[in-house]
Amino acid sequence: SYELTQPPSVSVSPGQTASITCSGDKLGDKYASWYQQKPGQSPVLVIYQDSKRPSGIPERFSGSNSGNTATLTISGTQAMDEADYYCQAWDISTGVVFGGGTKLTVL
Amino acid sequence: EVQLVESGGGLVKPGGSLRLSCAASGFTFSNAWMSWVRQAPGKGLEWVGRIKSKTDGGTTDYAAPVKGRFTISRDDSKNTLYLQMNSLKTEDTAVYYCATDRESYDSSGYYYYYFDYWGQGTLVTVSS
Repeated sequence: SYELTQPPSVSVSPGQTASITCSGDKLGDKYASWYQQKPGQSPVLVIYQDSKRPSGIPERFSGSNSGNTATLTISGTQAMDEADYYCQAWDISTGVVFGGGTKLTVL
Repeated sequence: EVQLVESGGGLVKPGGSLRLSCAASGFTFSNAWMSWVRQAPGKGLEWVGRIKSKTDGGTTDYAAPVKGRFTISRDDSKNTLYLQMNSLKTEDTAVYYCATDRESYDSSGYYYYYFDYWGQGTLVTVSS
Protein backbone atom coordinates (compact mmCIF):
# COMPACT_ATOMS: atom_id res chain seq x y z
CA SER A 1 0.00 0.00 0.00
CA TYR A 2 1.06 3.58 -0.60
CA GLU A 3 2.57 5.49 2.32
CA LEU A 4 3.38 9.11 3.08
CA THR A 5 6.10 9.96 5.60
CA GLN A 6 6.34 13.18 7.60
CA PRO A 7 8.79 14.23 10.32
CA PRO A 8 7.12 13.95 13.73
CA SER A 9 8.05 17.45 14.73
CA VAL A 10 9.39 20.73 13.38
CA SER A 11 10.35 23.78 15.41
CA VAL A 12 10.56 27.37 14.21
CA SER A 13 11.08 30.78 15.74
CA PRO A 14 8.36 33.41 15.33
CA GLY A 15 8.77 35.33 12.10
CA GLN A 16 10.95 32.66 10.51
CA THR A 17 10.10 30.20 7.75
CA ALA A 18 8.87 26.72 8.58
CA SER A 19 9.11 23.87 6.11
CA ILE A 20 7.28 20.60 6.60
CA THR A 21 8.03 17.74 4.24
CA CYS A 22 5.97 14.80 3.10
CA SER A 23 7.65 11.92 1.27
CA GLY A 24 6.20 9.16 -0.86
CA ASP A 25 7.16 7.13 -3.89
CA LYS A 26 6.79 9.38 -6.96
CA LEU A 27 4.64 11.74 -4.91
CA GLY A 28 5.39 14.44 -7.46
CA ASP A 29 3.22 12.50 -9.93
CA LYS A 30 0.26 12.90 -7.61
CA TYR A 31 -1.46 15.93 -6.11
CA ALA A 32 -0.77 16.68 -2.45
CA SER A 33 -2.98 18.48 0.01
CA TRP A 34 -2.23 19.80 3.50
CA TYR A 35 -4.42 20.13 6.59
CA GLN A 36 -3.89 22.08 9.78
CA GLN A 37 -5.31 20.73 13.02
CA LYS A 38 -5.15 22.64 16.28
CA PRO A 39 -5.75 20.87 19.61
CA GLY A 40 -9.37 19.86 20.09
CA GLN A 41 -10.39 21.12 16.65
CA SER A 42 -11.23 19.58 13.29
CA PRO A 43 -8.72 19.60 10.45
CA VAL A 44 -8.71 22.62 8.14
CA LEU A 45 -7.59 22.48 4.51
CA VAL A 46 -4.69 24.91 3.97
CA ILE A 47 -3.24 23.74 0.63
CA TYR A 48 -4.76 21.68 -2.17
CA GLN A 49 -3.50 20.55 -5.58
CA ASP A 50 0.07 20.99 -4.34
CA SER A 51 0.10 24.79 -4.10
CA LYS A 52 -3.39 26.29 -4.13
CA ARG A 53 -4.77 28.09 -1.10
CA PRO A 54 -8.46 27.94 -0.17
CA SER A 55 -10.26 31.19 0.46
CA GLY A 56 -9.40 32.56 3.87
CA ILE A 57 -6.01 30.88 4.21
CA PRO A 58 -3.22 33.45 4.70
CA GLU A 59 -0.70 34.02 1.92
CA ARG A 60 2.13 32.92 4.23
CA PHE A 61 1.05 29.33 3.57
CA SER A 62 2.44 27.86 0.35
CA GLY A 63 3.13 24.42 -1.07
CA SER A 64 5.24 22.63 -3.63
CA ASN A 65 5.59 19.06 -4.86
CA SER A 66 8.31 17.46 -6.94
CA GLY A 67 10.04 14.12 -7.17
CA ASN A 68 9.27 12.17 -4.03
CA THR A 69 8.61 15.13 -1.72
CA ALA A 70 5.84 17.64 -1.12
CA THR A 71 6.61 20.62 1.07
CA LEU A 72 4.40 22.94 3.08
CA THR A 73 6.09 26.27 3.72
CA ILE A 74 4.92 28.82 6.25
CA SER A 75 6.62 32.19 5.81
CA GLY A 76 6.75 34.62 8.72
CA THR A 77 5.43 31.94 11.06
CA GLN A 78 3.12 33.19 13.80
CA ALA A 79 2.26 31.70 17.17
CA MET A 80 -1.23 30.93 15.85
CA ASP A 81 0.32 28.57 13.29
CA GLU A 82 1.36 26.13 16.02
CA ALA A 83 -0.58 22.98 15.18
CA ASP A 84 -0.37 19.50 13.71
CA TYR A 85 -0.07 19.38 9.94
CA TYR A 86 -1.05 16.42 7.75
CA CYS A 87 -0.28 15.81 4.10
CA GLN A 88 -2.66 13.75 1.98
CA ALA A 89 -2.71 12.26 -1.49
CA TRP A 90 -4.73 9.83 -3.56
CA ASP A 91 -3.30 6.52 -4.71
CA ILE A 92 -5.15 4.41 -7.26
CA SER A 93 -4.49 1.19 -5.31
CA THR A 94 -4.77 2.42 -1.73
CA GLY A 95 -7.26 5.27 -2.01
CA VAL A 96 -6.89 8.27 0.25
CA VAL A 97 -3.59 8.32 2.11
CA PHE A 98 -2.59 10.63 4.97
CA GLY A 99 0.87 11.23 6.29
CA GLY A 100 1.48 10.56 9.96
CA GLY A 101 1.40 14.23 10.85
CA THR A 102 3.95 16.82 11.94
CA LYS A 103 3.70 18.84 15.13
CA LEU A 104 4.81 22.40 14.43
CA THR A 105 6.14 24.21 17.48
CA VAL A 106 6.66 27.97 17.35
CA LEU A 107 9.30 28.66 19.96
CA GLU B 1 -22.11 28.51 5.04
CA VAL B 2 -21.23 24.82 4.85
CA GLN B 3 -22.06 22.91 8.01
CA LEU B 4 -21.43 19.25 8.80
CA VAL B 5 -22.70 17.98 12.13
CA GLU B 6 -21.89 14.44 13.23
CA SER B 7 -23.84 12.54 15.86
CA GLY B 8 -24.34 9.03 17.17
CA GLY B 9 -21.02 8.42 18.87
CA GLY B 10 -20.73 6.74 22.25
CA LEU B 11 -19.47 3.76 24.19
CA VAL B 12 -19.98 0.32 22.69
CA LYS B 13 -18.66 -3.12 23.58
CA PRO B 14 -16.34 -5.06 21.28
CA GLY B 15 -18.38 -6.89 18.69
CA GLY B 16 -21.17 -4.37 18.93
CA SER B 17 -22.65 -1.98 16.38
CA LEU B 18 -23.18 1.75 16.09
CA ARG B 19 -24.55 4.09 13.44
CA LEU B 20 -23.15 7.56 12.99
CA SER B 21 -24.95 10.38 11.20
CA CYS B 22 -23.66 13.53 9.53
CA ALA B 23 -26.22 16.27 8.87
CA ALA B 24 -25.17 18.55 6.03
CA SER B 25 -26.27 22.06 5.11
CA GLY B 26 -25.09 25.05 3.11
CA PHE B 27 -24.39 23.18 -0.13
CA THR B 28 -26.13 20.83 -2.55
CA PHE B 29 -25.65 17.59 -0.65
CA SER B 30 -27.02 15.36 -3.40
CA ASN B 31 -24.19 16.42 -5.73
CA ALA B 32 -21.46 15.86 -3.18
CA TRP B 33 -19.08 12.97 -2.69
CA MET B 34 -18.65 12.41 1.04
CA SER B 35 -16.10 10.66 3.20
CA TRP B 36 -15.62 9.51 6.76
CA VAL B 37 -12.19 10.07 8.32
CA ARG B 38 -11.25 8.93 11.82
CA GLN B 39 -8.58 9.84 14.35
CA ALA B 40 -7.65 7.54 17.20
CA PRO B 41 -6.75 9.30 20.48
CA GLY B 42 -3.37 11.00 20.10
CA LYS B 43 -2.91 9.58 16.58
CA GLY B 44 -3.11 10.80 13.01
CA LEU B 45 -5.89 10.95 10.46
CA GLU B 46 -7.12 7.77 8.79
CA TRP B 47 -9.53 7.65 5.86
CA VAL B 48 -12.41 5.26 6.49
CA GLY B 49 -14.30 5.37 3.21
CA ARG B 50 -16.38 7.40 0.82
CA ILE B 51 -19.62 7.45 -1.09
CA LYS B 52 -20.11 9.05 -4.48
CA SER B 53 -23.13 11.09 -5.47
CA LYS B 54 -26.03 9.15 -6.94
CA THR B 55 -25.48 10.86 -10.30
CA ASP B 56 -21.96 9.41 -10.25
CA GLY B 57 -23.23 5.98 -9.33
CA GLY B 58 -23.58 6.24 -5.55
CA THR B 59 -20.86 3.63 -5.09
CA THR B 60 -18.74 3.22 -1.99
CA ASP B 61 -15.07 2.50 -1.30
CA TYR B 62 -13.52 1.53 2.02
CA ALA B 63 -10.13 1.38 3.65
CA ALA B 64 -8.82 -2.12 4.24
CA PRO B 65 -9.18 -2.10 8.07
CA VAL B 66 -12.95 -1.51 7.90
CA LYS B 67 -13.94 -3.25 4.68
CA GLY B 68 -16.70 -5.77 5.30
CA ARG B 69 -17.56 -4.30 8.71
CA PHE B 70 -18.49 -0.68 7.95
CA THR B 71 -21.11 0.59 5.50
CA ILE B 72 -21.50 4.14 4.25
CA SER B 73 -24.88 5.30 2.97
CA ARG B 74 -26.69 8.53 2.29
CA ASP B 75 -30.21 9.92 2.34
CA ASP B 76 -30.26 12.87 -0.03
CA SER B 77 -33.83 13.72 0.97
CA LYS B 78 -32.56 14.35 4.51
CA ASN B 79 -29.14 15.75 3.53
CA THR B 80 -27.62 13.15 5.78
CA LEU B 81 -24.63 10.82 5.53
CA TYR B 82 -24.41 7.63 7.58
CA LEU B 83 -21.74 5.25 8.80
CA GLN B 84 -22.96 1.87 9.99
CA MET B 85 -20.26 0.19 12.04
CA ASN B 86 -20.56 -3.51 12.86
CA SER B 87 -18.25 -6.02 14.56
CA LEU B 88 -16.51 -3.15 16.30
CA LYS B 89 -13.02 -3.65 17.66
CA THR B 90 -11.12 -1.74 20.32
CA GLU B 91 -8.88 -0.34 17.58
CA ASP B 92 -11.93 1.39 16.05
CA THR B 93 -11.93 3.79 19.01
CA ALA B 94 -11.57 7.24 17.47
CA VAL B 95 -13.15 10.56 16.69
CA TYR B 96 -15.06 10.13 13.43
CA TYR B 97 -15.29 13.09 11.06
CA CYS B 98 -17.42 13.46 7.97
CA ALA B 99 -15.95 15.57 5.19
CA THR B 100 -16.83 16.82 1.72
CA ASP B 101 -14.72 15.38 -1.08
CA ARG B 102 -13.34 17.37 -3.97
CA GLU B 103 -12.05 15.29 -6.83
CA SER B 104 -11.55 15.58 -10.55
CA TYR B 105 -8.96 15.62 -13.30
CA ASP B 106 -7.08 18.80 -14.10
CA SER B 107 -6.41 20.07 -17.60
CA SER B 108 -3.27 17.93 -17.80
CA GLY B 109 -5.15 14.77 -16.86
CA TYR B 110 -3.83 14.52 -13.31
CA TYR B 111 -6.33 13.37 -10.69
CA TYR B 112 -6.78 15.31 -7.48
CA TYR B 113 -8.67 14.37 -4.33
CA TYR B 114 -8.95 16.37 -1.15
CA PHE B 115 -11.39 17.31 1.62
CA ASP B 116 -12.53 20.92 1.79
CA TYR B 117 -14.99 20.90 4.69
CA TRP B 118 -14.98 18.86 7.89
CA GLY B 119 -17.47 18.34 10.68
CA GLN B 120 -16.61 18.69 14.36
CA GLY B 121 -16.40 14.94 14.86
CA THR B 122 -18.08 12.42 17.14
CA LEU B 123 -16.22 10.14 19.55
CA VAL B 124 -16.66 6.38 19.34
CA THR B 125 -15.22 4.34 22.20
CA VAL B 126 -15.08 0.57 21.87
CA SER B 127 -14.39 -0.98 25.25
CA SER B 128 -15.66 -3.73 27.50
